[in-house]
Amino acid sequence: AQTVTQSQPEMSVQEAETVTLSCTYDTSENNYYLFWYKQPPSRQMILVIRQEAYKQQNATENRFSVNFQKAAKSFSLKISDSQLGDTAMYFCAFNSGENSGYSTLTFGKGTMLLVSP
Amino acid sequence: DGGITQSPKYLFRKEGQNVTLSCEQNLNHDAMYWYRQDPGQGLRLIYYSQIVNDFQKGDIAEGYSVSREKKESFPLTVTSAQKNPTAFYLCASSTQQGFGSPLHFGNGTRLTVT
Repeated sequence: AQTVTQSQPEMSVQEAETVTLSCTYDTSENNYYLFWYKQPPSRQMILVIRQEAYKQQNATENRFSVNFQKAAKSFSLKISDSQLGDTAMYFCAFNSGENSGYSTLTFGKGTMLLVSP
Repeated sequence: DGGITQSPKYLFRKEGQNVTLSCEQNLNHDAMYWYRQDPGQGLRLIYYSQIVNDFQKGDIAEGYSVSREKKESFPLTVTSAQKNPTAFYLCASSTQQGFGSPLHFGNGTRLTVT
């Protein structure tokens, strides 16, 4: 079974600084997708970024970027120019439903990020 | 605007009672999912469905049941057999492309059983 590990339960950063959240996963499959989701205090789950394992280029969405290291099975999220609105729980997720066609994601336990003024 | 509606936002029940959580989507998505969220546990998959009248068990299906009579609706019943039903429940959907498609989530239902 696939597992996703987020080793940082909590992190804090000051506004305008850069922070990196860690995620590692375990799988024997070759093609899969990785995601970062954000859950602010409203508890609405919001997709931050998606990465396909076959693509070597790291995904980027505005201030959010990933460092995808396939051999090391690592998928970290970098948030640049942190804003107060980035305060949220961040979940790393893995999808290997290549044979089933489903997007049944396996989630890590999350990292709570607090951005302070 | 399209989206996923979960109702109610908060639900309180007595132990031993079954309770049904509603999930409706107007995104025209084929696949729908139920996840359970507990503090410090991340999200865990309960049930999922790709087409009407078909669904599969996820990692923690015991004590839960679902139905998929309409494409737009995927209600979850928490039965009295569920040992620890108090949790935050999230419904999600994705397009038929399935694998790799991002999940779109509802706002969740907080269930408290006493």
